[in-house]
Amino acid sequence: ILNVEQSPQSLHVQEGDSTNFTCSFPSSNFYALHWYRWETAKSPEALFVMTLNGDEKKKGRISATLNTKEGYSYLYIKGSQPEDSATYLCAFSPNTGNTPLVFGKGTRLSVIA
Amino acid sequence: GAVVSQHPSWVICKSGTSVKIECRSLDFQATTMFWYRQFPKQSLMLMATSNEGSKATYEQGVEKDKFLINHASLTLSTLTVTSAHPEDSSFYICSAREGPTGNTIYFGEGSWLTVV
Repeated sequence: ILNVEQSPQSLHVQEGDSTNFTCSFPSSNFYALHWYRWETAKSPEALFVMTLNGDEKKKGRISATLNTKEGYSYLYIKGSQPEDSATYLCAFSPNTGNTPLVFGKGTRLSVIA
Repeated sequence: GAVVSQHPSWVICKSGTSVKIECRSLDFQATTMFWYRQFPKQSLMLMATSNEGSKATYEQGVEKDKFLINHASLTLSTLTVTSAHPEDSSFYICSAREGPTGNTIYFGEGSWLTVV
């Protein structure tokens, strides 16, 4: 059974603080690691799809790193804003081709103004 | 970007009735769609993989006769919960891969099902 772990489960930060959270995934049969932002009553929004060990991707104030050898990815948010409040999901894609994603439970971020 | 629309967002049904949830890819063709279910404080759990024009592939423990999946076109997959029971009350969400090997998977908005 493939297991994807995210920590922390929830996080409260002040506006302007920078924060980060972790996703751990199996290091074998790796194909891709996905990060999503999921706001209440909306569809999960794809943030990053990462495939290469050592890869680092950035989208505005949000960035992510990937270590496929040890099986972890970090998501960073710089200068958190209230609109960043959401659940951040990571998902692991094993092998290649048309395989479904395996999700972690998510990290719920609350940014307090 | 690509959009996946899921309907209905909320549904309440009586125990023993059937409920259909639709998942549409609005601006791309989705040969494969995935149906997930999420219970409180749990991960999104894959129920089945829906392939256009063929039978769905169900995950272990998911009753294929209870959760009927139809993927008759490249833009529409439906999940029908048959003879619903209160324990089927959950959040159901679909996703679709753009193209057969696309890296990005897009999600619908999800459907809250309450069986009373």
